Amino acid sequence: KQEVTQIPAALSVPEGENLVLNCSFTDSAIYNLQWFRQDPGKGLTSLLLIQSSQREQTSGRLNASLDKSSGRSTLYIAASQPGDSATYLCAADNYGQNFVFGPGTRLSVLP
Amino acid sequence: DAGVTQSPTHLIKTRGQQVTLRCSPKSGHDTVSWYQQALGQGPQFIFQYYEEEERQRGNFPDRFSGHQFPNYSSELNVNALLLGDSALYLCASISGQLNSGNTIYFGEGSWLTVV
Repeated sequence: KQEVTQIPAALSVPEGENLVLNCSFTDSAIYNLQWFRQDPGKGLTSLLLIQSSQREQTSGRLNASLDKSSGRSTLYIAASQPGDSATYLCAADNYGQNFVFGPGTRLSVLP
Repeated sequence: DAGVTQSPTHLIKTRGQQVTLRCSPKSGHDTVSWYQQALGQGPQFIFQYYEEEERQRGNFPDRFSGHQFPNYSSELNVNALLLGDSALYLCASISGQLNSGNTIYFGEGSWLTVV
């Protein structure tokens, strides 16, 4: 059974800092790992999708890496901005059938 | 192109009542999944529908049931509501299966409060 954890649970940084969010999963037999952003009281917005054959994906200031063998993924955010404040969730697929989510990292970027 | 739409956005029910939540998938998507997200936690998978059939189910009791219509829209029904059912219910859609490499899209969710 797939289990996903995320570290840290919460993070507060000053504007302009580069930061790394960590995600660990227990079953390395995944097809996809996806990072999502969730604003308070809102739904999920997909940020990056990494397929099992890929090592990383980039979109603007975001870069996500995947190491299946160690069961880890990281989300790197460059030059953070107050608008980046949100909860970031990672999700690993459960034998390609559905997503198992981590509890999220709550990010606050201070102006 | 409208994304995944859900209704209602907020509702309040009394313990023991029944509730129906609705979801219209993103255009071109044939697979709909439902997730429950309690406050401060990540979403948990409830079930998935494809071709009007429940294809997978998470660890939720039979009080949770669903339906998918020929136009791919879906409903989530919860009977005999408990206080612990209070949560954000998220609908997600995808074309094909998760292992296809296609991106899954989520709606804004329906906030259910049980009092």
